[in-house]
Amino acid sequence: NAGVTQTPKFRVLKTGQSMTLLCAQDMNHEYMYWYRQDPGMGLRLIHYSVGEGTTAKGEVPDGYNVSRLKKQNFLLGLESAAPSQTSVYFCASSYSPRGGEQYFGPGTRLTVT
Amino acid sequence: AQSVAQPEDQVNVAEGNPLTVKCTYSVSGNPYLFWYVQYPNRGLQFLLKYITGDNLVKGSYGFEAEFNKSQTSFHLKKPSALVSDSALYFCAVRDIRQDVRFGAGTRLTVKP
Repeated sequence: NAGVTQTPKFRVLKTGQSMTLLCAQDMNHEYMYWYRQDPGMGLRLIHYSVGEGTTAKGEVPDGYNVSRLKKQNFLLGLESAAPSQTSVYFCASSYSPRGGEQYFGPGTRLTVT
Repeated sequence: AQSVAQPEDQVNVAEGNPLTVKCTYSVSGNPYLFWYVQYPNRGLQFLLKYITGDNLVKGSYGFEAEFNKSQTSFHLKKPSALVSDSALYFCAVRDIRQDVRFGAGTRLTVKP
């Protein structure tokens, strides 16, 4: 039981390049989330999904897109990376929309130069 | 929209002393409140949550938190701190919608 996994762990992009971050969970959770963590700002929700085929915007969605084609996977895309997107990205999943705690992946450290 | 405030960026305590990490929240309706801990270069780990019921919630590693509706607070506590408790602590709140708001985090340092 791996829990929540994220690939890649590290990535360096140049401004304007694109990439996709993959999140996978093996706990059969319906709900999945993408956050970014920046110093002094805690975690900010980018997008989330309440089930396969559904996505919704969070607090800071601009510049990101997501897809949930399979229940166990949640992809985060950057179409044209900007230095402001330099951050640590965390994926999480939960079994309940309100009362369920979230299970987090180990994070992806992204640097955009 | 819901929000969370952690008024202290840093909390320092001596090993063996009690610790408190503060959290206040703003939410419409009944809150769902959570505490998470983050160790260096790791993802967040769940500590405890308040959904309903008893205002004193017990969680992992000897931590507990007290829900105070009138003060809209959910402070994290531990009777006797350990050096290994040193980490970054996050409070989070969820309302009737699906998304979650996290506080900015409080760095706890426990000195021997």
